[in-house]
Amino acid sequence: EAGVAQSPRYKIIEKRQSVAFWCNPISGHATLYWYQQILGQGPKLLIQFQNNGVVDDSQLPKDRFSAERLKGVDSTLKIQPAKLEDSAVYLCASSPGTASSYNEQFFGPGTRLTVL
Amino acid sequence: QQPVQSPQAVILREGEDAVINCSSSKALYSVHWYRQKHGEAPVFLMILLKGGEQKGHEKISASFNEKKQQSSLYLTASQLSYSGTYFCGTESSYNTDKLIFGTGTRLQVFP
Repeated sequence: EAGVAQSPRYKIIEKRQSVAFWCNPISGHATLYWYQQILGQGPKLLIQFQNNGVVDDSQLPKDRFSAERLKGVDSTLKIQPAKLEDSAVYLCASSPGTASSYNEQFFGPGTRLTVL
Repeated sequence: QQPVQSPQAVILREGEDAVINCSSSKALYSVHWYRQKHGEAPVFLMILLKGGEQKGHEKISASFNEKKQQSSLYLTASQLSYSGTYFCGTESSYNTDKLIFGTGTRLQVFP
């Protein structure tokens, strides 16, 4: 079974530029998550999709971050414009069910973003 | 609110045991444990549910004390492959379906 795919793996941009990340979850997984992981910290949830809909985006900085999940499958996360503090690893995860309590999350390899 | 893990770091020799604790200020419905090796994605270890039993596989087990809003991860007879950062993820009884990851515990096992 193929895992969660993410691209690009690395991205270096200057502040105020835009960047987009792509995630392809495991086939059939209903729930998709985007996390931001700053060096030395635990993953912080940015947005959670259940099929096409947004379940939680309370910690997404909506003035600069946006995300969508196309047809309940692939997802993109965009930052526009980027700030220095956005430097982090962006992790995408998916889970088969709709309840976090009972479902493990499968993480992709992440995209390491450096903002100069 | 982010759960707090202790200790922040542990150094072990192969064969030694370790305990990692995860504490929350909120009533918990579930606790999830993940291990992340350097430069890699987190990998699922186990889920503990409110009212559930202690869980484990091989030499890694965990407990969940609902009254204290705490969970502990037990690593027995540690192996080199156990090295990595361990994160607990907690799900509040008041806001299920949202996992909040803890501060992390870095574990290093030496031969």
